[in-house]
Amino acid sequence: GQQVQQSPTSLVLQEGENAELQCNFSTSLNSMQWFYQRPGGSLVSVFYNPSGTKQSGRLTSTTVIKERRSSLHISSSQITDSGTYLCAMVTGGSNAKLTFGKGTKLSVKS
Amino acid sequence: GALVYQYPRRTICKSGTSMRMECQAVGFQATSVAWYRQSPQKTFELIALSTVNSAIKYEQNFTQEKFPISHPNLSFSSMTVLNAYLEDRGLYLCGARASTSSNERLFFGHGTKLSVL
Repeated sequence: GQQVQQSPTSLVLQEGENAELQCNFSTSLNSMQWFYQRPGGSLVSVFYNPSGTKQSGRLTSTTVIKERRSSLHISSSQITDSGTYLCAMVTGGSNAKLTFGKGTKLSVKS
Repeated sequence: GALVYQYPRRTICKSGTSMRMECQAVGFQATSVAWYRQSPQKTFELIALSTVNSAIKYEQNFTQEKFPISHPNLSFSSMTVLNAYLEDRGLYLCGARASTSSNERLFFGHGTKLSVL
């Protein structure tokens, strides 16, 4: 089965609305990362979040490792936030590897 | 800060030819490099994990004969897609792990987008 489940699959917002993206993991993990993939394809790491809450501008990530879940909150969304948000779990110890979810496709409209 | 440069950003190759992509770690020593592929409409799959001075470990469905990887030092890795065909299209991503890191964070390049004609 799928080890990393993201929801929703897609989301359409009006500019200025908030978004809450969820990520759930089916197995134990060491940590996790959130990524933003631009419509053109390139990937940007948004948060590396072993546990707890991290904030960067309008983005806030909250991870509860023992409950195997993480969320990404986007406040006051902007058109430029459009793209795909991927979460990935980190496992594997010294040779850490990532297992990606399928992503949440976000469209922000004016 | 730690950066990973990956190049080329985009490339097009003819069916049956090969193309090489490179990954450069800047500002840290990359003891482990992971190569991923995102095929159209799919999420990222791990191709292989490479650790300096160790054997490269390929995931199921990926082989050294098809995706040979070189990881000669702590700042550089390359991967070649041999005899590329349509099913090899996608975004190839390298992620590097810092040797001095006490956690397991991977730093990623922007990816190489491969199109096959």
